[in-house]
Amino acid sequence: GDSVTQMEGPVTLSEEAFLTINCTYTATGYPSLFWYVQYPGEGLQLLLKATKADDKGSNKGFEATYRKETTSFHLEKGSVQVSDSAVYFCALSDLSNYQLIWGAGTKLIIKP
Amino acid sequence: SQTIHQWPATLVQPVGSPLSLECTVEGTSNPNLYWYRQAAGRGLQLLFYSVGIGQISSEVPQNLSASRPQDRQFILSSKKLLLSDSGFYLCAWSGLAGVRVDTQYFGPGTRLTVL
Repeated sequence: GDSVTQMEGPVTLSEEAFLTINCTYTATGYPSLFWYVQYPGEGLQLLLKATKADDKGSNKGFEATYRKETTSFHLEKGSVQVSDSAVYFCALSDLSNYQLIWGAGTKLIIKP
Repeated sequence: SQTIHQWPATLVQPVGSPLSLECTVEGTSNPNLYWYRQAAGRGLQLLFYSVGIGQISSEVPQNLSASRPQDRQFILSSKKLLLSDSGFYLCAWSGLAGVRVDTQYFGPGTRLTVL
């Protein structure tokens, strides 16, 4: 069945460093792909999404490109801030029922 | 605009006690509704989803149940809590007009501790 694999965390970076959080998927068809962010003690927020191959989702300085050829949707940011410390979840939509299939989450820690 | 509410925000309950968590959505009609659980340091587990009043699908067999008595109200219940029911419970909705139904929007969550 469909699945999402994220790089294991925690990922620890210094402020202003470049961020990449890897996400790869297996799916039939062309699902939508999502990144959600969860700040400590809060619910999840939609960060960005892409609905078809080669689409780039972007928000708050974060970007991810839907790569069909490598089945990937890696999250990137050019210069991270302490306030970006959170858990990031990659997800894809199951086209049979539009449910979301979730990755395990990657905890990001940014040190000043 | 649409908002989603969950209450209570935190709850501490003894083993064997009942549970009722409530979720309501404002500013939309006929949303799809979801209950997730997140154990400490873990990912998301879909518990229930609903596409309409009285229509509940269960993803994981366990001692929890869900009900949807009104279009924008989703309730998670248990008759007898287990220690393993501790976790962070998240309600979500989808079906924003003009947005594909697979985009979900989450509430603030309820942290449940069973002692």
